[in-house]
Amino acid sequence: ETGVTQTPRHLVMGMTNKKSLKCEQHLGHNAMYWYKQSAKKPLELMFVYNFKEQTENNSVPSRFSPECPNSSHLFLHLHTLQPEDSALYLCASSSQGGGNSPLHFGNGTRLTVT
Amino acid sequence: GENVEQHPSTLSVQEGDSAVIKCTYSDSASNYFPWYKQELGKRPQLIIDIRSNVGEKKDQRIAVTLNKTAKHFSLHITETQPEDSAVYFCAASISQEYGNKLVFGAGTILRVKS
Repeated sequence: ETGVTQTPRHLVMGMTNKKSLKCEQHLGHNAMYWYKQSAKKPLELMFVYNFKEQTENNSVPSRFSPECPNSSHLFLHLHTLQPEDSALYLCASSSQGGGNSPLHFGNGTRLTVT
Repeated sequence: GENVEQHPSTLSVQEGDSAVIKCTYSDSASNYFPWYKQELGKRPQLIIDIRSNVGEKKDQRIAVTLNKTAKHFSLHITETQPEDSAVYFCAASISQEYGNKLVFGAGTILRVKS
């Protein structure tokens, strides 16, 4: 059983909707991440939070808005998305930030934008 | 650049044969190289990782080798089994002004035929 839980598992939304993805980790880790996984492309890092502070924003469009209220919870707020935003969104955590420790992934949210 | 190149994109082997997946990176300061396995519909899971102070690491049927001079690292799976069928991703830590981050390869689809 994964120590990183994501909800919902599947989400279908129209381009004018507002929705949020939720991630919770039970591993006592200090860093949390949002990744986007599209077919035949490398995992794309979107946001990084280290000790609740955002340390990376990889030129992600403003229609994606992250929130990290504490080191165990991470949200991704979505609004006015485009069909090309359809993808698997993976949350991950690691014991420390900095890209030098293993990532523990959640099962992802499969997002479809219609 | 920040690219991690991964080859081949697909690999089919007969059960019992070995499989080798190769990755190259560009940042000479990279010091952490994990490999992830992602089964269909599931989350990526760490299977093995190596740091730049060693050249090889083994865990049962899985091994990873690192050539820092040539900036490439490889995953070796021996005595492949049908349950090894999955997508495998390599990653390398890339140094940035404000810390490292992991950059992933595009993935290799491994099919083990029984």
